[in-house]
Amino acid sequence: DTEVTQTPKHLVMGMTNKKSLKCEQHMGHRAMYWYKQKAKKPPELMFVYSYEKLSINESVPSRFSPECPNSSLLNLHLHALQPEDSALYLCASSQSQGPSYEQYFGPGTRLTVT
Amino acid sequence: GENVEQHPSTLSVQEGDSAVIKCTYSDSASNYFPWYKQELGKGPQLIIDIRSNVGEKKDQRIAVTLNKTAKHFSLHITETQPEDSAVYFCAVSPFIQGAQKLVFGQGTRLTINP
Repeated sequence: DTEVTQTPKHLVMGMTNKKSLKCEQHMGHRAMYWYKQKAKKPPELMFVYSYEKLSINESVPSRFSPECPNSSLLNLHLHALQPEDSALYLCASSQSQGPSYEQYFGPGTRLTVT
Repeated sequence: GENVEQHPSTLSVQEGDSAVIKCTYSDSASNYFPWYKQELGKGPQLIIDIRSNVGEKKDQRIAVTLNKTAKHFSLHITETQPEDSAVYFCAVSPFIQGAQKLVFGQGTRLTINP
């Protein structure tokens, strides 16, 4: 089973709201990722967690705040977003953070900022 | 940093024919090359991958070839079917100490005409 689940599927929020995206995997993977994907573009890496510690932050604005409560869960807290932050947010996981481990993606959360 | 170019951006083939998508990369230290299929409204699905110690890998109708000297790799789909219609992304995992980042190509929209 290579399933990564994400909730919610769709989210509409105003620029003053606070919301959270959730990601879960039960494959025993120890690396988890957040990506942002704009329409007709490839996924862009935002954050990497390895063994529940943040290992890569791709210079993402502080209005995005990741959290990894345990090895199966990954959250992305959203605050004071801008309309240009509207995108598909994808979570992925891999067995570990080595350079050649398969990454498996979830279905994504479609975020619209109004 | 790593740069990945993917061609063509769109590809239309008749059902039953073959489709080929090509990617080139810049970092000779990269050693992992996955291909993802993304259907409308879904997350990317890993369909095949290849590591730098292998020149070719097949899985039923899908194959990937790697030329490390020329720094390019290709996806081959034979006997195409309507359900192969999707956006395909190549990716490269450059070697970064203690980390894995996937750098994606810009994607190829494949359409299979019945």
